[in-house]
Amino acid sequence: AAGVIQSPRHLIKEKRETATLKCYPIPRHDTVYWYQQGPGQDPQFLISFYEKMQSDKGSIPDRFSAQQFSDYHSELNMSSLELGDSALYFCASSLGRDDSPLHFGNGTRLTVT
Amino acid sequence: AQKVTQAQTEISVVEKEDVTLDCVYETRDTTYYLFWYKQPPSGELVFLIRRNSFDEQNEISGRYSWNFQKSTSSFNFTITASQVVDSAVYFCALSAGYSTLTFGKGTMLLVSP
Repeated sequence: AAGVIQSPRHLIKEKRETATLKCYPIPRHDTVYWYQQGPGQDPQFLISFYEKMQSDKGSIPDRFSAQQFSDYHSELNMSSLELGDSALYFCASSLGRDDSPLHFGNGTRLTVT
Repeated sequence: AQKVTQAQTEISVVEKEDVTLDCVYETRDTTYYLFWYKQPPSGELVFLIRRNSFDEQNEISGRYSWNFQKSTSSFNFTITASQVVDSAVYFCALSAGYSTLTFGKGTMLLVSP
């Protein structure tokens, strides 16, 4: 079965650079979530989209923005990168917002040097 | 507000031992979902189980079993006859209403041969 696809798998950037992470949800899934997991930490919710509209917002820094496109894929844009942004970024998708389980992608590991 | 507590930071067992991972949750919602995810060293988040708040039946899947008790707000996970491949970080998570997943801090399970 098709899963959530994230690209790239690994990304190395320098401080103050920008990065774009992409997420392709499971076909027919209309809801996308972004999570950030720092080293040794639990995943923290950043932002979610339902039917291409932002549906919920968590601890996403103002330097980050995201959107969901007409084909339901989503991109997380990160600017003015800081060392503390180094983390594993997960995208998850679900069908609807309420009672569907989230299926996570394999994550993008971002390293900021 | 939602909260998930996994009091066990790390558990070490020897292969073939049974092990139980504890999870205690807090929510004011009467309708909610509980999840367990496995995160192996490779980093991906693997969905294991989802239970809704109205279904307190225990579930068994192979060597895995889950005990859901609303009276104690617990959703514990037992691995029977543990194997080295079970070594991973296990996250318990909660979703209530339209809110997104809230994860516990995770329990690192180390299974040695």
